Amino acid sequence: GQQLNQSPQSMFIQEGEDVSMNCTSSSIFNTWLWYKQEPGEGPVLLIALYKAGELTSNGRLTAQFGITRKDSFLNISASIPSDVGIYFCAGQVNYGGATNKLIFGTGTLLAVQP
Amino acid sequence: SAVISQKPSRDICQRGTSLTIQCQVDSQVTMMFWYRQQPGQSLTLIATANQGSEATYESGFVIDKFPISRPNLTFSTLTVSNMSPEDSSIYLCSVEEFDRGAAFFGQGTRLTVV
Repeated sequence: GQQLNQSPQSMFIQEGEDVSMNCTSSSIFNTWLWYKQEPGEGPVLLIALYKAGELTSNGRLTAQFGITRKDSFLNISASIPSDVGIYFCAGQVNYGGATNKLIFGTGTLLAVQP
Repeated sequence: SAVISQKPSRDICQRGTSLTIQCQVDSQVTMMFWYRQQPGQSLTLIATANQGSEATYESGFVIDKFPISRPNLTFSTLTVSNMSPEDSSIYLCSVEEFDRGAAFFGQGTRLTVV
């Protein structure tokens, strides 16, 4: 199925470092979502973005909805070991009626060295 | 956000058999979604399930292989039929909350076919 281009594929960083990851698409999205998935769990919603240009924070996390509506980034400041996981972006499109479909990025694996 | 429970959380099945996965939500929702996450991969939408109507399948997924039931506004099942090792994946149930414009996931069912 269709997927968004997400980069980097993986990151191995030291505790306390800042992290940045992004998603790009050739398609326009109405909403951008960022999820974190830990082993054995389903994805957990971190941040939702609804307007082009919107910048939203959730604690140490900051995400932005690109002006062109075709990209988004997620920053994590001062990383800690519990930030370890796979981060997915997802773009939402409306296919008519009440159905909104999510297209997921390829994921970024984050490893944090204490 | 809605609390989504999936059963079973994991299973090991023989090839040629079928497994039905249950998804229970603690509130009434219009749309329920089923995703597949193959090992080391991102999430791919299988189908959208509306209460009282047939599920809508994405390209590459068919009803004979993945029959879905949606008997009421809080429950859905996904059956993986005539399984082969290629069906080994995590299967995830998801619901959308319109007031938040975002999708939330159950913890997933980890299926291994031997």
